[in-house]
Amino acid sequence: QVQLVQSGAEVKKPGSSVKVSCKVSGGSFSNYGMNWVRQAPGQGLEWMGGIIPIYGATNYAQKFQARLTVAADESTSTALMELNSLRSEDTAMYYCVRGVVTTRGIRFDSWGQGTLVTVSS
Amino acid sequence: EIVLTQSPATLSLSPGERATLSCRASQSVSSYLAWYQQKPGQAPRLLIYDASNRATGIPARFSGGGSGTDFTLTISSLEPEDFAVYYCQQRSDSYTFGQGTKLEI
Repeated sequence: QVQLVQSGAEVKKPGSSVKVSCKVSGGSFSNYGMNWVRQAPGQGLEWMGGIIPIYGATNYAQKFQARLTVAADESTSTALMELNSLRSEDTAMYYCVRGVVTTRGIRFDSWGQGTLVTVSS
Repeated sequence: EIVLTQSPATLSLSPGERATLSCRASQSVSSYLAWYQQKPGQAPRLLIYDASNRATGIPARFSGGGSGTDFTLTISSLEPEDFAVYYCQQRSDSYTFGQGTKLEI
């Protein structure tokens, strides 16, 4: 049974950056896609970007292209997400999601428990 | 961007009843559509992938159908633990989610 365990909650100032990690255990890492999805309080789900570790290939939603970096450390089976230039609207729960790589994108399957990021002055 | 529109926004039913949730795409997504269940304070859980395939461990009362632009999630006989928010998601062109349907008692 694969498990995705994310780092703890963060409180950040506007204009700063946040890094969130996601460690995968009990299953494969490198040949799966690792994605990041966020959910603002009381709102729906929004895909931000992802990486396929074995290829190092990244893919970002246009909205986040300029200030999001996703990475993967294969030696520790850990996915990483860094969001820069934080603003209050970035306050949300951030989820990592593992998925199967297919000929048509990544088929999401397993989700982390979420990391709450609060942006406040 | 492919927009997914879910209906209804809220569905009020009782245990034992049948639930039918709808997801409509702004353009064809073939069968590249998934359904998730989310309970308060929890991460979403995959129910259905590729329109009609149940994920591992998902009870048979959950079924998905449709292709192209129109999809349904059916829960044949509601259990108390099924009351939650349900999202559809497409992977035909990037990744987008519907706005959710709240299934309430």
